[in-house]
Amino acid sequence: AQSVTQLGSHVSVSEGALVLLRCNYSSSVPPYLFWYVQYPNQGLQLLLKYTSAATLVKGINGFEAEFKKSETSFHLTKPSAHMSDAAEYFCAVRTISNFGNEKLTFGTGTRLTIIP
Amino acid sequence: DGGITQSPKYLFRKEGQNVTLSCEQNLNHDAMYWYRQDPGQGLRLIYYSQIVNDFQKGDIAEGYSVSREKKESFPLTVTSAQKNPTAFYLCASSPQPGQGAYTGELFFGEGSRLTVL
Repeated sequence: AQSVTQLGSHVSVSEGALVLLRCNYSSSVPPYLFWYVQYPNQGLQLLLKYTSAATLVKGINGFEAEFKKSETSFHLTKPSAHMSDAAEYFCAVRTISNFGNEKLTFGTGTRLTIIP
Repeated sequence: DGGITQSPKYLFRKEGQNVTLSCEQNLNHDAMYWYRQDPGQGLRLIYYSQIVNDFQKGDIAEGYSVSREKKESFPLTVTSAQKNPTAFYLCASSPQPGQGAYTGELFFGEGSRLTVL
């Protein structure tokens, strides 16, 4: 079975500081990994995805993530936090059921707060 | 504009009532999904459908029902059997695996917030 674990349900950083949100995955097949962002009372928007190409993936809004197979990690980073980055972030992994159906399994989310 | 439309945005229900949440997409996607979101629990899959007239239970299907009569539409009914229905519900869609546009990514609607009074 495939799963993801997000370390830290709440993260606070100062404006201009490095943002680091942690995600570790478990997968018996080559993983497809995703980071999504959610603003209050809205749907999820894709930030970036890893689908077995380059291990360093760049996304929207200055975010990037590095796939590290040896550490089974896919941490999300941004060099300099902006007030508009305050939101909830979800890591997800492609899951394949016993019947071959594909779906995404999500982590429990990390709420990012930016301190002025 | 292509996208996913969920309605209503906010819905209030009395205990014992069934309610139906609408999800329509014009992205020509074959697969559609319903997730439930509760604080601190992330997104949990309720039902999904990868082709018209077929759907599968997700991780928390009890107390819910769906239909997939048209490719564009995947309504979710929250029945009175659902013990704790107050939550934020998200609909999503994606191309089928194997199709040219498939990357594994899900495309989400804006969500529907259901509150049971």
